[in-house]
Formats: sequence, C-alpha cells, structure tokens
Amino acid sequence: EPEVTQTPSHQVTQMGQEVILRCVPISNHLYFYWYRQILGQKVEFLVSFYNNEISEKSEIFDDQFSVERPDGSNFTLKIRSTKLEDSAMYFCASSEALSSGETQYFGPGTRLLVL
Amino acid sequence: QKEVEQDPGPLSVPEGAIVSLNCTYSNSAFQYFMWYRQYSRKGPELLMYTYSSGNKEDGRFTAQVDKSSKYISLFIRDSQPSDSATYLCASMDSNYQLIWGAGTKLIIKP
Repeated sequence: EPEVTQTPSHQVTQMGQEVILRCVPISNHLYFYWYRQILGQKVEFLVSFYNNEISEKSEIFDDQFSVERPDGSNFTLKIRSTKLEDSAMYFCASSEALSSGETQYFGPGTRLLVL
Repeated sequence: QKEVEQDPGPLSVPEGAIVSLNCTYSNSAFQYFMWYRQYSRKGPELLMYTYSSGNKEDGRFTAQVDKSSKYISLFIRDSQPSDSATYLCASMDSNYQLIWGAGTKLIIKP
C-alpha cells in the first residue's frame, strides 16, 4: 500500500540553525500539507501546497518557514532560524485532490528538537 | 469559531468492551468528519471519514455524526489491546483545512 514517508525521523538542532524536513508524498497525490504537533498539544495546520505554490497557510507559518517541491517526488519544509518553540513533531500529508471527501494521508513524522 | 473539542482521557476499558469516543464541534459549516488513530510517536492514520450526518461502519468501527447536536462519535466493538492508541477526531472547514480535536488516549486492558 502506498504511503507517505518522511526523513529524518528525528532531528536535533541548535537554536538559530536552519533545518529542512523532507517528505515523499504518495505518488499520484497532488496536494501536500505540513502539520505540527507540540508534545501534548493538538495537531496544528501549517500549510497546504498545490501546483507548486502555497494554497493556504496558518498564522504559525511565518517568514521563518518555507516549503518547496524541488523535484517530482520530494516536498520539503524549511525552518530558516529555529527557535526553542519550534520543537515538535512535524507531519507531512498528501491527498489526491482537494475536493470534498478526499482525505489526507499522513507520514510518520519528524521529531524536531531545538536546543 | 473553528474548534473541535475532545476529552483527552485517558479512557481505560477491559478487552472486549464497546468503546465510545466522542467529539463536539462548533462550526455548523463543517461537512466532513474524520477519525484518526495515532500510536505513540507515529503519524495519524486515517480510520474513517463521514460526510454530513449518519453512520458509517467498517468492521469493528462505526463512525456517527449528528449535525443537529454537532456531535461526532466513534464506536469500537470487541475492543482489542492493539486498539490502544490516541484517537483524534477532525473536521474539515471550507478551506479544506483539517481542524483537530485534542485526541483521546484509549487504553484496552487485557
């Protein structure tokens, strides 16, 4: 069964450093998403991406964040200058379409720890 | 208001019991409702989704939506220890964004 994959599974970084989280969505999916989940808190939407541009983004997704689809398979989330509060689990998701009834399939997540 | 409320639990039941997990939501415009299962340190895994009001059954799982009371339920029959996980409800808003509940931690005791 096709699945969303994410690398790395864990990332430890120093505050102020840049990190890139990588995702490989399901191959025939066209819509891509990033979410984060701070330990013990709700899953929060960050951004959705379609046709090589951002469709929607939340208030969390400020200028420190960027997304890119550098090739036909990868979808990346870059945090330019990490802060302590960026420590969280980051989930990538993809869906075949944005239309009603389509669902998003999640990757296993990248656990980011900012020291 | 974009909120989905869910009791975080934990909910502990004996193996074989029927489990009832519930959420409420505030936005009457929500049309799609999902239940995800999340094992520790793993990504959410879609269990079921339903459109509007009604029931949907898949094996031991039944999802129910009552739009009149803005109430979402997931029932698990013949619960197994492997069902122990956090269950997250989510609704989809008009921008196709998922609005999540906090998740209920379910523990099935052998």
